[in-house]
Amino acid sequence: EAGVVQSPRYKIIEKKQPVAFWCNPISGHNTLYWYLQNLGQGPELLIRYENEEAVDDSQLPKDRFSAERLKGVDSTLKIQPAELGDSAVYLCASSLGQGYTEAFFGQGTRLTVV
Amino acid sequence: DQQVKQNSPSLSVQEGRISILNCDYTNSMFDYFLWYKKYPAEGPTFLISISSIKDKNEDGRFTVFLNKSAKHLSLHIVPSQPGDSAVYFCAASPSGYSTLTFGKGTMLLVSP
Repeated sequence: EAGVVQSPRYKIIEKKQPVAFWCNPISGHNTLYWYLQNLGQGPELLIRYENEEAVDDSQLPKDRFSAERLKGVDSTLKIQPAELGDSAVYLCASSLGQGYTEAFFGQGTRLTVV
Repeated sequence: DQQVKQNSPSLSVQEGRISILNCDYTNSMFDYFLWYKKYPAEGPTFLISISSIKDKNEDGRFTVFLNKSAKHLSLHIVPSQPGDSAVYFCAASPSGYSTLTFGKGTMLLVSP
């Protein structure tokens, strides 16, 4: 069974440029998460989807970050414009659904903003 | 305010000995706890979990202990192997919700 797939693995952009990350969750997983991991820290939730509905986006900086999960499968996270402080690893995870807490993570996208 | 705390940034253990990783939490609503393991340049991998109705869960070399009154859990690895060298994250979730709150992680180094 394929795991959570993220692309790209690495991305280097100049500040003020836009960037997008893509995630394909495990087949059949209704819940999809985007987490942010800064160096030396644990993952922090940005947004959680139940199917195509964003049910928890309280930690998403909505002035520059946006996300979508069309058809309740793949998801895209976008930053526009990127700032130096956005340099981090962006992790996508999925789980079976509400009440199933074990989340399976992708390999992450390491973003460097210069 | 960190709701899940892993106060030891690193731990060194010799191969064959026991590794004990600790985690404290402050949110009384947490009732499901998980440990994840992370190798460099990879995403976290689920290791073991425990519900608040239990005080111990065992899976092979890995055992998680939960002390609800102290709001403390620990992961025991016996015997430790060099391949266990990784960063270990403690995570917690409230009942009925699936969003995890993570600690900062503990880097375990198991030397031969």
